[in-house]
Amino acid sequence: DGGITQSPKYLFRKEGQNVTLSCEQNLNHDAMYWYRQDPGQGLRLIYYSQIVNDFQKGDIAEGYSVSREKKESFPLTVTSAQKNPTAFYLCASSPRNRARTDTQYFGPGTRLTVL
Amino acid sequence: DAKTTQPPSMDCAEGRAANLPCNHSTISGNEYVYWYRQIHSQGPQYIIHGLKNNETNEMASLIITEDRKSSTLILPHATLRDTAVYYCIVRSPNTGNQFYFGTGTSLTVIP
Repeated sequence: DGGITQSPKYLFRKEGQNVTLSCEQNLNHDAMYWYRQDPGQGLRLIYYSQIVNDFQKGDIAEGYSVSREKKESFPLTVTSAQKNPTAFYLCASSPRNRARTDTQYFGPGTRLTVL
Repeated sequence: DAKTTQPPSMDCAEGRAANLPCNHSTISGNEYVYWYRQIHSQGPQYIIHGLKNNETNEMASLIITEDRKSSTLILPHATLRDTAVYYCIVRSPNTGNQFYFGTGTSLTVIP
């Protein structure tokens, strides 16, 4: 059935290591997004992509990188340059980014802990 | 982008209506109001959205005041599974139609 999958649900890494979070959608959505959520806080936008091979920085892109080689996939790499990588990471997708009525649909999230 | 203000927490008795308020006094005429909710450690779930007319779906009703400066999300018969953080979001074409999630209202449904 259709949806957004993120894997793994829990991820542990040592400080200084890069780590890549997976996000896949089979909804045929054009736009995809990555958010970060810290305890007791709202979501903050890291990167978003409106079409394949194109992406834009969000509010907190420093220390992160993304790629969009396929429509259904939008992996996020948390690099060693990210000062506080421990957080809950959420991926979302929507049919089109420009339309005001397009809804974003979220995956289940990946909880990253850096030891 | 228009800012939203929500109470940090609310309680509601099971089976009663939950009315969650949101202020968005700087909203522009072309900006939509969206509501999402997030159950602990899960991804946010879309509930409803509207521009100026009241809206209803199988989950909830959205009441927007005539001046559009505030709105209320109504869960008609709250259940324990409705315990979650509820986010009111104003979506603006001026910021690429991005969603800006604040800290929301933590709703606790009490048995």
